[in-house]
Amino acid sequence: KNEVEQSPQNLTAQEGEFITINCSYSVGISALHWLQQHPGGGIVSLFMLSSGKKKHGRLIATINIQEKHSSLHITASHPRDSAVYICAVSGNQFYFGTGTSLTVIP
Amino acid sequence: DVKVTQSSRYLVKRTGEKVFLECVQDMDHENMFWYRQDPGLGLRLIYFSYDVKMKEKGDIPEGYSVSREKKERFSLILESASTNQTSMYLCASSLRGWGTGELFFGEGSRLTVL
Repeated sequence: KNEVEQSPQNLTAQEGEFITINCSYSVGISALHWLQQHPGGGIVSLFMLSSGKKKHGRLIATINIQEKHSSLHITASHPRDSAVYICAVSGNQFYFGTGTSLTVIP
Repeated sequence: DVKVTQSSRYLVKRTGEKVFLECVQDMDHENMFWYRQDPGLGLRLIYFSYDVKMKEKGDIPEGYSVSREKKERFSLILESASTNQTSMYLCASSLRGWGTGELFFGEGSRLTVL
């Protein structure tokens, strides 16, 4: 049983497209995290949110606590956005999704 | 900015060898973690430390041990490496307690056991 489910697992987009990655969770949480991992690299935190919406540049993260669902949106996607995006939740411990592999084609 | 540094990016070891993976953070965080990342399985917690000399087992501690002698340093030890321990190992730290606060990750150590 996975506490955090992401969809899609893989995503290919043309440069400039609007991208949405979804995350559903089944445990009580204090916060939800969106993480980014470039090929061969470490993981960086993009967002930590517990309600509503946050925006950073072309990235937007939303969360609906009642529905236990979050989305990560990328507007005007660029090849440098190609990475694995990981949803994680924190409560009594951290739980991680298996990631969404995004490829943006020029 | 918080910096989490892992000692080795890539290691190749032989079955039965002892392996040390070291992690250092520079922001005085109490909490440090070792995760293992495998395709399709996501990140799995090996061990967690909430203070010097304190440790808690995670989901997959078998075959691993840890050491935290100083606040900034958290080491993962494979006493006798096996091929099924070939993986990416990620160290992380956070200011707050277990399951709370923001996680800061190192660059990862990719271990291959032959």
